[in-house]
Amino acid sequence: DGGITQSPKYLFRKEGQNVTLSCEQNLNHDAMYWYRQDPGQGLRLIYYSQIVNDFQKGDIAEGYSVSREKKESFPLTVTSAQKNPTAFYLCASGERGYLDTEAFFGQGTRLTVV
Amino acid sequence: DAKTTQPTSMDCAEGRAANLPCNHSTISGNEYVYWYRQIHSQGPQYIIHGLKNNETNEMASLIITEDRKSSTLILPHATLRDTAVYYCIVRAASYNQGGKLIFGQGTELSVKP
Repeated sequence: DGGITQSPKYLFRKEGQNVTLSCEQNLNHDAMYWYRQDPGQGLRLIYYSQIVNDFQKGDIAEGYSVSREKKESFPLTVTSAQKNPTAFYLCASGERGYLDTEAFFGQGTRLTVV
Repeated sequence: DAKTTQPTSMDCAEGRAANLPCNHSTISGNEYVYWYRQIHSQGPQYIIHGLKNNETNEMASLIITEDRKSSTLILPHATLRDTAVYYCIVRAASYNQGGKLIFGQGTELSVKP
């Protein structure tokens, strides 16, 4: 089935450790996005990528890093510099430049830092 | 990016139509209006989108005012499974912005028996 897959669903890490969240899509989409959601809040954009080997900061990029070495993969690293990393992280993909087509979301990774 | 304003919460009786309003008074001429919904702890699900004309699909109808400053999402026969947070989004118009979706706070719709 075509879709976007995030793994793992739940992730626990100790404070001060970097952690990488996986996002894979087989929809042949050029554009991919990472969002963060805190309890009772809407989604906030962390990073997005329109094409392989290129990405841009979103509204809350500090403390995060990404890479886009392959079209189907857009991993997000939550670094120790992120002050409040505990959150629900969502990845999405869509057609680049085609604003009349929908973006598809994964089912999210819930990160808890203890 | 245009911002959207939605009521924080709404109730709807099961089987009745749910009408969810959204204001987007600063929308640009080539920006689309998108609706997504999110059931607790899941990824957002696409519902419908439109530019100028009213749109309908198997899930919902989207009514956009002539001046495009507001829109209404209509779920014609709400069921308990439609209980979710509904987001009205104006999608970035610039090609170079990669079509990113800017989410607001959304409307929490509760469908009651």
